[in-house]
Amino acid sequence: GENVEQHPSTLSVQEGDSAVIKCTYSDSASNYFPWYKQELGKRPQLIIDIRSNVGEKKDQRIAVTLNKTAKHFSLHITETQPEDSAVYFCAASLNTGTASKLTFGTGTRLQVTL
Amino acid sequence: DADVTQTPRNRITKTGKRIMLECSQTKGHDRMYWYRQDPGLGLRLIYYSFDVKDINKGEISDGYSVSRQAQAKFSLSLESAIPNQTALYFCATSDPGGGGTNEQFFGPGTRLTVL
Repeated sequence: GENVEQHPSTLSVQEGDSAVIKCTYSDSASNYFPWYKQELGKRPQLIIDIRSNVGEKKDQRIAVTLNKTAKHFSLHITETQPEDSAVYFCAASLNTGTASKLTFGTGTRLQVTL
Repeated sequence: DADVTQTPRNRITKTGKRIMLECSQTKGHDRMYWYRQDPGLGLRLIYYSFDVKDINKGEISDGYSVSRQAQAKFSLSLESAIPNQTALYFCATSDPGGGGTNEQFFGPGTRLTVL
């Protein structure tokens, strides 16, 4: 089955700096890579995703890049703000019409300091 | 707003007891999932169901069972709870739709403590 590794487990940055979280996956057939954000005491929520036919996707201060050859993908947050402090999870799946379950990474706790 | 709800939100029980966690959704989604979250281990899939007649084991199904009573309801049971099942449990739903993104919508979670 799929295995997703995520690094680092904790990350502390100063407000305004950039943050990068990296994930690798094992199954070359995986074609869908979402990122979830979980604020303290809250439920995980999707913040951005990318499909395997795209190398990069941006949404305001958040971007995700995918390298299919190396089987890794990354989350980039620019101009970090205190409200970016949360746990971030990457995930991978083989997304077909009949089979699509996510395998999650172990999470990265991001702390944005003032 | 359409939502995913879980009951109870918190539960403390003793070793050997039978526990049921319930999940309901008003999103109209066919696909439902149960995960457990442990510090440092992320979200691990216990069981998933793609429709009322479909039940599948996830990566950590031992010690758990599920029931899909209706499209909107998916229950997780611990037949004989043990302390290492102490965790935060999340239910989630998804609907592949036309874009096939499989975004999963999570419930608020149930914190279970087994003494």
